Amino acid sequence: SQTIHQWPATLVQPVGSPLSLECTVEGTSNPNLYWYRQAAGRGLQLLFYSVGIGQISSEVPQNLSASRPQDRQFILSSKKLLLSDSGFYLCAWSVVGSGETQYFGPGTRLLVL
Amino acid sequence: AQSVTQLGSHVSVSEGALVLLRCNYSSSVPPYLFWYVQYPNQGLQLLLKYTSAATLVKGINGFEAEFKKSETSFHLTKPSAHMSDAAEYFCVVTGGGNKLTFGTGTQLKVEL
Repeated sequence: SQTIHQWPATLVQPVGSPLSLECTVEGTSNPNLYWYRQAAGRGLQLLFYSVGIGQISSEVPQNLSASRPQDRQFILSSKKLLLSDSGFYLCAWSVVGSGETQYFGPGTRLLVL
Repeated sequence: AQSVTQLGSHVSVSEGALVLLRCNYSSSVPPYLFWYVQYPNQGLQLLLKYTSAATLVKGINGFEAEFKKSETSFHLTKPSAHMSDAAEYFCVVTGGGNKLTFGTGTQLKVEL
């Protein structure tokens, strides 16, 4: 069966510090991968998605970036965090032809102070 | 393009009562529709999905949803609420591509 991992689970970072959140998927090959942000009291906003190694599409201009160095690894990064980057970050995966069902990881709670 | 509207950001029911969470969608192509549930500080869990097969879709935990094209609706129901159903529920639509459009969510509260 497939599983998706995210770490860390919780992170408190000062403004201006760098960020690296990691997501890995097990039990499937060549998945589509996604990063979402969920701000308090709001829905989910798609940040990035990837259909393959090194292929990243950005949905929203911001100071975040994403990379996919391996087939089942997706990394969300920032060089300098802003207060507005606080939120709940969710990674998801899907397989083409599955009715585009996306399966979500447990999330990372980021608080920027 | 697709959009989804969830009517009621907060719904409160008594334990044992019917749960009805409303969702209306707009799509320029035949849609795929989903309901996800999110418990506090957790990721989203798929409850059920509609992919143009049966219009009445049964999901996990006793939930079901009915696709009504004439009403552009995909309401989520459960005959008898349980305390463990308290969570936030998201209605989601896609036109078949890899981009999902999420509703703003409905927080379900279950009272004794």
